Amino acid sequence: AQKITQTQPGMFVQEKEAVTLDCTYDTSDQSYGLFWYKQPSSGEMIFLIYQGSYDEQNATEGRYSLNFQKARKSANLVISASQLGDSAMYFCAMRESDYKLSFGAGTTVTVRA
Amino acid sequence: GAGVSQSPSNKVTEKGKDVELRCDPISGHTALYWYRQSLGQGLEFLIYFQGNSAPDKSGLPSDRFSAERTGGSVSTLTIQRTQQEDSAVYLCASSFLQMNTEAFFGQGTRLTVV
Repeated sequence: AQKITQTQPGMFVQEKEAVTLDCTYDTSDQSYGLFWYKQPSSGEMIFLIYQGSYDEQNATEGRYSLNFQKARKSANLVISASQLGDSAMYFCAMRESDYKLSFGAGTTVTVRA
Repeated sequence: GAGVSQSPSNKVTEKGKDVELRCDPISGHTALYWYRQSLGQGLEFLIYFQGNSAPDKSGLPSDRFSAERTGGSVSTLTIQRTQQEDSAVYLCASSFLQMNTEAFFGQGTRLTVV
């Protein structure tokens, strides 16, 4: 079974608008961590934001925020005020209690001027 | 260097040959991960290490794939009798063995089997 599901293969967003990238996960662990990474066309993997399963507040890092809904097993990434440089592939990942780190299929975001 | 280093950056090999891909993690990182990424696709989990032990080898696609880690540091992913479907970018990442620490990635090895 898929541990991480990203249902949006590709999205277009207008510059300066916000975009939400969906991520649902599947685990029976009580302790786990959720991550989002960005992969530009250069191929490097850039860490964006982290949310722990016991964190009560949604994580925020600059223009990135994570909408964590634990009961729904959802960890959506919100990018506010999109910039052309945000065009990339975005991956949701989960680290479970055994420290295995699994990634979703990714969502390609294209920012239009 | 301060980051995760992978070598070679690119490898072209003939079908049926064996290849070795190397990963030098960040010093002190206990966890080391290997992934495979085909063009435009997601990261396929292959194997990960805690120290020199591999608790989960479930992602290795076939018995042609093997990996080891020595001294809690360098890891080698070996693919025997390469096939064309093995062509992909192989990514290595390392992290501390803590839930809330991010994994740092190398630049990857692009493997092309001809």
